[in-house]
Amino acid sequence: SQELEQSPQSLIVQEGKNLTINCTSSKTLYGLYWYKQKYGEGLIFLMMLQKGGEEKSHEKITAKLDEKKQQSSLHITASQPSHAGIYLCGADRSRDDKIIFGKGTRLHILP
Amino acid sequence: DAGVIQSPRHEVTEMGQEVTLRCKPISGHDYLFWYRQTMMRGLELLIYFNNNVPIDDSGMPEDRFSAKMPNASFSTLKIQPSEPRDSAVYFCASSPWGYEQYFGPGTRLTVT
Repeated sequence: SQELEQSPQSLIVQEGKNLTINCTSSKTLYGLYWYKQKYGEGLIFLMMLQKGGEEKSHEKITAKLDEKKQQSSLHITASQPSHAGIYLCGADRSRDDKIIFGKGTRLHILP
Repeated sequence: DAGVIQSPRHEVTEMGQEVTLRCKPISGHDYLFWYRQTMMRGLELLIYFNNNVPIDDSGMPEDRFSAKMPNASFSTLKIQPSEPRDSAVYFCASSPWGYEQYFGPGTRLTVT
């Protein structure tokens, strides 16, 4: 959705390197969700952020929601081949049960 | 639990034919979502149900698309008649409360 912009669209990094994926909304978010999709499979929920400035970590993946609640970043430390896939951010912008998804960032890890 | 189950996993059909996609959500989940994913448009929400009732179908492309949820353990998405532009991967997802959604493996639909 153009309402939620992700950058970069694709990313190729050497195994062991750090990387950051960004997700930007033109409107205030009530909730921001990160999902991962392995090629040819369904999405897997990673994390949810709701409060401005909130930061959450899961293993080597850290996500943060900025104070204005319009931008989120997902950071992977010491990337591994298992991190390869498509990362999608999703946003709750109207406090209903709908999530609007970005187009995703394709991450490739070089051995 | 087996997770969200979708069938078929792959469907190839000719233009004009009726296509029915099926989904079995995770037991106990009150929400069910149907999405469509293409390279051009990304992941789009088509319709979602809460307690078997359709809540928002504003994402359904046109009258050729219809979705039903006759009970808490089964939902269908039907396309009649199908067109080549309907080719995509269709995902079903369920959730206990709306935002932490559990996705099925998807149905890859090809309309020739």
